[in-house]
Amino acid sequence: DTAVSQTPKYLVTQMGNDKSIKCEQNLGHDTMYWYKQDSKKFLKIMFSYNNKELIINETVPNRFSPKSPDKAHLNLHINSLELGDSAVYFCASSQGAGTSGPVSETQYFGPGTRLLVL
Amino acid sequence: AQTVTQSQPEMSVQEAETVTLSCTYDTSESDYYLFWYKQPPSRQMILVIRQEAYKQQNATENRFSVNFQKAAKSFSLKISDSQLGDAAMYFCAYGSYYGQNFVFGPGTRLSVLP
Repeated sequence: DTAVSQTPKYLVTQMGNDKSIKCEQNLGHDTMYWYKQDSKKFLKIMFSYNNKELIINETVPNRFSPKSPDKAHLNLHINSLELGDSAVYFCASSQGAGTSGPVSETQYFGPGTRLLVL
Repeated sequence: AQTVTQSQPEMSVQEAETVTLSCTYDTSESDYYLFWYKQPPSRQMILVIRQEAYKQQNATENRFSVNFQKAAKSFSLKISDSQLGDAAMYFCAYGSYYGQNFVFGPGTRLSVLP
């Protein structure tokens, strides 16, 4: 059973397109995250949602919009894709965060989605 | 804002030997968590070890142990009896106690030589 899953695994698209990456966790966690890992392997948090509410929103272009239909899903929608958006995007989840209490557990990561913008 | 520094971009170790990866961080918070994650070529991020800042005892997990020096804001990872499967990128990470911030270091690429 996959704890944190992402689809698609690979995404190749043209500049200017709009695309979405889906993330689902079956761990019953309260908090989900999106990270971007660039070509130099630097991993940076983009968003964090706790019980469907945004609690971390780092400085990312507003072309990136996370959507959380329920606690188990956090999808990432990207408008007007640019060359610089090419990276590996990781979804993660953890139990507890934000105003609901301390970060009690580790983040569990999905397998990543490699996005290539041509 | 918190920062995490890993001063060794690359390290290598002979199989069965011991290696220590360095990590320092900067924060004004008193309660937080520190993590080491491993990323093998498969890209999957795998938790190696976790330390709560309020605990003085260093965390250990089989062949992996940490040297946590809170005053010095240092959190090094020691891998004993290195195995070929330990070859990967290792990321040190900081997490605020209430989850407001989560920051990764730039990573250290570890090679294990047979």
